[in-house]
Amino acid sequence: AAGVIQSPRHLIKEKRETATLKCYPIPRHDTVYWYQQGPGQDPQFLISFYEKMQSDKGSIPDRFSAQQFSDYHSELNMSSLELGDSALYFCASSLGSGNTIYFGEGSWLTVV
Amino acid sequence: DQQVKQNSPSLSVQEGRISILNCDYTNSMFDYFLWYKKYPAEGPTFLISISSIKDKNEDGRFTVFLNKSAKHLSLHIVPSQPGDSAVYFCAASAGGSGNTGKLIFGQGTTLQVKP
Repeated sequence: AAGVIQSPRHLIKEKRETATLKCYPIPRHDTVYWYQQGPGQDPQFLISFYEKMQSDKGSIPDRFSAQQFSDYHSELNMSSLELGDSALYFCASSLGSGNTIYFGEGSWLTVV
Repeated sequence: DQQVKQNSPSLSVQEGRISILNCDYTNSMFDYFLWYKKYPAEGPTFLISISSIKDKNEDGRFTVFLNKSAKHLSLHIVPSQPGDSAVYFCAASAGGSGNTGKLIFGQGTTLQVKP
């Protein structure tokens, strides 16, 4: 079965650069979530979208923005990157809220 | 403020024995709980879930127990296999109108199953 697809899997950027991560949810899933997992930490919720509208917002820095497009894929844009942004970024999707959330393989961002 | 807590960072069990992973939560609005298994550099893989209207859910070798009054849940793996060695995350979400289904994760417990 198709899973959540994230790209790129690995990304290296320099400080103050910009990065964009993409997420393709499981077909027919209308809700997308973004999580950030730093080294040795639990995944932290960043932001979510339902039917292309932002539905919830967590600990997402103002330097970050995201959107969900008409085909339900989502992009996380990160600007003015800092060393502390180095983390594993997960995208997840579900069919509506209150249902099981399935995660992608994650995108490794390293800021040097 | 850690709303979902996994107080044991690690657990080691012998192959064939039972693994019990524990999770506590503080938010009484949580009504849906999930366990995820995670290998290094991979995404969390959904294992099993339980709704707050139940106290037990079983799927093969995995059973999740929920004690609402104690705000405690546990994942039992029987029998444990070496391939079960991974980090296990407990996660919770709140229901009700206006809730988005976002998950709050515990810190994770690293399970090692020894052959």
